[in-house]
Amino acid sequence: DVKVTQSSRYLVKRTGEKVFLECVQDMDHENMFWYRQDPGLGLRLIYFSYDVKMKEKGDIPEGYSVSREKKERFSLILESASTNQTSMYLCASSRRHPGVYFGPGTRLTVT
Amino acid sequence: AQTVTQSQPEMSVQEAETVTLSCTYDTSESDYYLFWYKQPPSRQMILVIRQEAYKQQNATENRFSVNFQKAAKSFSLKISDSQLGDAAMYFCAYRIVPFTGGGNKLTFGTGTQLKVEL
Repeated sequence: DVKVTQSSRYLVKRTGEKVFLECVQDMDHENMFWYRQDPGLGLRLIYFSYDVKMKEKGDIPEGYSVSREKKERFSLILESASTNQTSMYLCASSRRHPGVYFGPGTRLTVT
Repeated sequence: AQTVTQSQPEMSVQEAETVTLSCTYDTSESDYYLFWYKQPPSRQMILVIRQEAYKQQNATENRFSVNFQKAAKSFSLKISDSQLGDAAMYFCAYRIVPFTGGGNKLTFGTGTQLKVEL
């Protein structure tokens, strides 16, 4: 079974803090994704990566950055967390075929 | 840009009945995949069913089937014999082929919350 894990299920941070969300997949997938999920807005793509050190902006990259130094790990970084970044963050991965596999999500609250 | 639209924020169905969730999409690509994902409350997103655009035959997975109308850019999900465990948020999604490089992303609709009533 494909396994995508995220470092935390729930996270509470203060405004202005630097926040790291980690995602690891164990199936040697080339592609990894970070989505943000908000009620009424569905899932919106923040960033994705199709190879080590390769990244592309998604639909809402502002306020976020990413890092992919190893194939199995894709990190989402909030340089200075703000309250409007309170959300559910979903990591996903895939090989070069249709199936995309999701992690359990991290619910981030910024106070 | 590709867009996916789910016009039904909420749907209800009686247990054992059939329900259809709607999805439309907009694309200029000819080769792509369409998906329905299910997200139960506080649980992980899982793939329900997928459809390749070049295949005319509608995909089926047990009680789940799709009605794919390529010309109309419509992709609805039919759930037969609904069960309490089908209650979840359902997302329609789109992905172009090939699955490499910069055009690789999965684009989602806003979701339909399905309630199953006894």
